[in-house]
Amino acid sequence: DTAVSQTPKYLVTQMGNDKSIKCEQNLGHDTMYWYKQDSKKFLKIMFSYNNKELIINETVPNRFSPKSPDKAHLNLHINSLELGDSAVYFCASSPFGALRQETQYFGPGTRLLVL
Amino acid sequence: AQTVTQSQPEMSVQEAETVTLSCTYDTSESDYYLFWYKQPPSRQMILVIRQEAYKQQNATENRFSVNFQKAAKSFSLKISDSQLGDAAMYFCAYRSEGGGADGLTFGKGTHLIIQP
Repeated sequence: DTAVSQTPKYLVTQMGNDKSIKCEQNLGHDTMYWYKQDSKKFLKIMFSYNNKELIINETVPNRFSPKSPDKAHLNLHINSLELGDSAVYFCASSPFGALRQETQYFGPGTRLLVL
Repeated sequence: AQTVTQSQPEMSVQEAETVTLSCTYDTSESDYYLFWYKQPPSRQMILVIRQEAYKQQNATENRFSVNFQKAAKSFSLKISDSQLGDAAMYFCAYRSEGGGADGLTFGKGTHLIIQP
């Protein structure tokens, strides 16, 4: 059973297109995240989201938007794709609340290539 | 803002030997969490070990252990009896303790090579 899954694993698209990456977790976690890993392997938080608040990293362009249809899903929509958006995108989840269970569990990543 | 520094872009170790990966961080907070994640060529991010700042005892997980020096803001990872399967990128990460949906702040990673 996959704890955090992402689809697709690979995505090749043209500049200017709009695309979505889906993420699902079956861990019952309340909080989900999106990270971007660039070509130098550097990982950076893009969004954090639970059913109460969305926290956006201020460096993320507004072409990127997270959408959560329910607690188990957090999809990433990207409008007007640019060459610089090429990266690996990771979804993650963690429990939220009083319990000291702060570990984040990652999905397998989606490699996005913008041509 | 917190920062995490991994000063070793690449490390190499002979199989069965011990290797230590360095990590330092900068924060003004007193409570937080520290993690080491492993990323093999499959690119899956795998949790190796975690440490709560309020705990003085260093965390251990089988062949993996940390040396957590809170005053020095240092969090190194020791891998004993290195195995070929340990070859991967290793990322040190920091997370604030204060509630809310805080993301992880990562270092730039250390590429670990295991020599057979």
